[in-house]
Amino acid sequence: NAGVTQTPKFQVLKTGQSMTLQCAQDMNHNSMYWYRQDPGMGLRLIYYSASEGTTDKGEVPNGYNVSRLNKREFSLRLESAAPSQTSVYFCASDWDSLFGYTFGSGTRLTVV
Amino acid sequence: DQQVKQNSPSLSVQEGRISILNCDYTNSMFDYFLWYKKYPAEGPTFLISISSIKDKNEDGRFTVFLNKSAKHLSLHIVPSQPGDSAVYFCAASERTSGTYKYIFGTGTRLKVLA
Repeated sequence: NAGVTQTPKFQVLKTGQSMTLQCAQDMNHNSMYWYRQDPGMGLRLIYYSASEGTTDKGEVPNGYNVSRLNKREFSLRLESAAPSQTSVYFCASDWDSLFGYTFGSGTRLTVV
Repeated sequence: DQQVKQNSPSLSVQEGRISILNCDYTNSMFDYFLWYKKYPAEGPTFLISISSIKDKNEDGRFTVFLNKSAKHLSLHIVPSQPGDSAVYFCAASERTSGTYKYIFGTGTRLKVLA
């Protein structure tokens, strides 16, 4: 099925470990986004990429890095995980934001 | 400082009745608004949108109203169905850097009672 695929779906990390969350879309969308969802906080934008080769910070970029590997793939890296990064992470993409984003099903990350 | 607020964390409605979900925003530069629906363990899915040049947009059972002077939008679901039970997020944006970056509210959990 066409859409946004996130891997892994679940992950437990120890404080200080690193990991990369993967995201790929097969809809030929130009823009891609990473959000985190926390209880009582809604969805907050971490980083986005308006087009292949560009990335920009969102509301909460500290502690994260991103790579727009090609038009399809946009990865999110935690270099040194902290318990405050325990969250559900959503990747999204769009061709024209006026029609809304297509979201992946999320990665639930726990940092202990 | 939250720019998009959904002040009701939850709402319960009887099946067949109207559900009204509210959203307030503070940034007068926002010019495009979306509503998303989210089921547990799934990503949000786009429901309906409205541009600041309109005050109403309908799509089947869903209608979004925008009051720019009050910086308020609402989503009406008529009639409500048990399958509508989900968390609803409103999102607002202005176009910057060649794309729309949406700011999301905290969500309202709707429960439709059979």
